[in-house]
Formats: sequence, C-alpha cells, structure tokens
Amino acid sequence: GQSLEQPSEVTAVEGAIVQINCTYQTSGFYGLSWYQQHDGGAPTFLSYNALDGLEETGRFSSFLSRSDSYGYLLLQELQMKDSASYFCAPLGGNTPLVFGKGTRLSVIA
Amino acid sequence: NAGVTQTPKFRVLKTGQSMTLLCAQDMNHEYMYWYRQDPGMGLRLIHYSVGEGTTAKGEVPDGYNVSRLKKQNFLLGLESAAPSQTSVYFCASSLTAFATNEKLFFGSGTQLSVL
Repeated sequence: GQSLEQPSEVTAVEGAIVQINCTYQTSGFYGLSWYQQHDGGAPTFLSYNALDGLEETGRFSSFLSRSDSYGYLLLQELQMKDSASYFCAPLGGNTPLVFGKGTRLSVIA
Repeated sequence: NAGVTQTPKFRVLKTGQSMTLLCAQDMNHEYMYWYRQDPGMGLRLIHYSVGEGTTAKGEVPDGYNVSRLKKQNFLLGLESAAPSQTSVYFCASSLTAFATNEKLFFGSGTQLSVL
C-alpha cells in the first residue's frame, strides 16, 4: 500500500526559500512527482524525480532519496504567485498516481 | 489544443438524483482518471481507465460508475447522489502510466453539490 506525509501548511516570506517535505511508505515505488494547485484551479505538473538527487527547473528544485523514503520540493526567490497547494505523488508503481494530502503554501510580504 | 475538458463546471443535485460528468481529451492519451477533492483530503482516485473499453476501481469507487466507450472520453456517473458526494471532481489523462515519467494533465474541475 501507499502512505504519504506532507506538512499541511507552510508560511514563508516573499523572496525567501522554502522546502516542502514528502515522506512515504510505499511499496514498488521508483520516483516522485510534484503538482501545484492554486485556489479554485486544477493541479498542474511541476516536476518529477526518477533518480536520487536534485532536479532543478528554474526557481523550483526537487530532491529524492529512495533509500530514506524521502523527497522535497524547494522553491527559491518566493513570489506571491507561488501561494498554492503542493502535492507529492510516488511514481513507477503498479497503480495509478496516489497523491499526498498536500501542503498549503502561503507567501507573505 | 484544448487538453482536458470537463462538463459541466457546476452542478447542484438533490439527494437521489443521477447525473453524468463528461471528460474529453484531445491529446490521444491512453490513460484517464477521475479524482475527487475534499478539503483536507487531497486528491482521491475514484476510477481509472488504461484504454478504450477498460475501467478499474480506485481508492473510493463506491457510489460511482464509469465508462470509456471512446478513447477520448471518460464518463463518471452517479446513479443516486448522496450529500457525501458533494465535492470537486477532476478528470485527468496521461500518455504513460505506472512509470517514472508519468505526467497527468487535469481538467478544470466540476463543483458538485448534493443537497
């Protein structure tokens, strides 16, 4: 089965760096993906890690350590528009994507 | 290229009524999904399809039925709506599944209220 844990809420200041953690207890898992969802909107794909280590895409980076059953999303140079919910989802198993409950990020001035 | 389109965007039902939510994708994706989202619960998978003519149960399938008669369409039905089915419903599609490069494309959602 799958069990994912993310912090429910995170608050950070505009221009700062924030890390959103995701821990999991999942069998047959090979990678981790991240989705962003603004209030009233649909989830949109952000990034995925198929291998251990750090993947960078502009201001966003994602890290995975399969041996530690742990990953995180790193957002740099925070902007007000980054206020949203962020979901992690394990990849590569024999079931469709199951999402964590999400982390609500609030960026304040 | 519209991506994933859901209709309707909003609907109010009375307990016991039935309805069908339609999802259409124009990306020739093989895989399609229905999720529901409730406050504090994240996205939960209702049913999914791995190809035309196939359907399978997800985490919370009770009270719902689905059909995938055409590759581009995935229908979600509620035969007898209950207040517990008040939620936001999202349809999604993907080119690959059960793979490390899986990427879901979501529709804009349907807000359903059952009174």
